[in-house]
Amino acid sequence: EPEVTQTPSHQVTQMGQEVILRCVPISNHLYFYWYRQILGQKVEFLVSFYNNEISEKSEIFDDQFSVERPDGSNFTLKIRSTKLEDSAMYFCASSAGQAGQPQHFGDGTRLSIL
Amino acid sequence: AQSVTQLGSHVSVSEGALVLLRCNYSSSVPPYLFWYVQYPNQGLQLLLKYTSAATLVKGINGFEAEFKKSETSFHLTKPSAHMSDAAEYFCAVSDPGNQFYFGTGTSLTVIP
Repeated sequence: EPEVTQTPSHQVTQMGQEVILRCVPISNHLYFYWYRQILGQKVEFLVSFYNNEISEKSEIFDDQFSVERPDGSNFTLKIRSTKLEDSAMYFCASSAGQAGQPQHFGDGTRLSIL
Repeated sequence: AQSVTQLGSHVSVSEGALVLLRCNYSSSVPPYLFWYVQYPNQGLQLLLKYTSAATLVKGINGFEAEFKKSETSFHLTKPSAHMSDAAEYFCAVSDPGNQFYFGTGTSLTVIP
C-alpha cells in the first residue's frame, strides 16, 4: 500500500537555525498537509497545500514557516529561525482531495531545538 | 464550523473487556467523520471513516463506530480489548474542502 514518507525521523537543531523537513506524499494525491504535535498534546493543523499554493493555514503558521513543492514528489516545511517552542513531532499528510477522502499520514519527524 | 469533542482523555479497560471511546461532533453540513490510531513514535493510522453510507462502520483491528445524527456522536467500540490496542485514538471531522479538525485524543490503556 502506498505510504507517505518523511525524512529525517529525528532532527536536532540549534535555536535560531533554519530547518527543512521533507515529505514524499502518495504519488497520485493532490492535497498536502503539515501538522504539529507537541509532546503529550493534540495534533495541531499547520497548513494545507493544493495546486502549488497554500489553501489554508493556522495561526501557528506564521512568517517563520514556509512550504514548498520543489518538484513532482517532495513537499517540504521550512522553519526559518527555530525557537525552543518549535520542538515537536511534525507530521505530513496527503489526500486524494475529494470530500470525505481520508488523509494519510507519515510517521513524523521529531524536531528537537537546543 | 466543524469541531469534535472527545470525552475522556484517558480510558482504561481490562483485557477482553468492551472498549468505548466517545466522540461528539459539531458540523454545519453533513459530516465526514474519521477515527485514527497513533501508536508510540508513529504517525496516525486510519481506523475507519464515515462518509454518509451505512451508519455502522467497520474498521481495522475489530473496531467499529456508529454514526448517530440525533446525538451528533461517532463513538468507537471494540467488543474485546487486546493488549495491542493500547494507543492514542483521535476522532476527526472534515469539511467539504477536506480540511480536518482533530479531537484532543483519548489514550487507551489495556490492563492485563
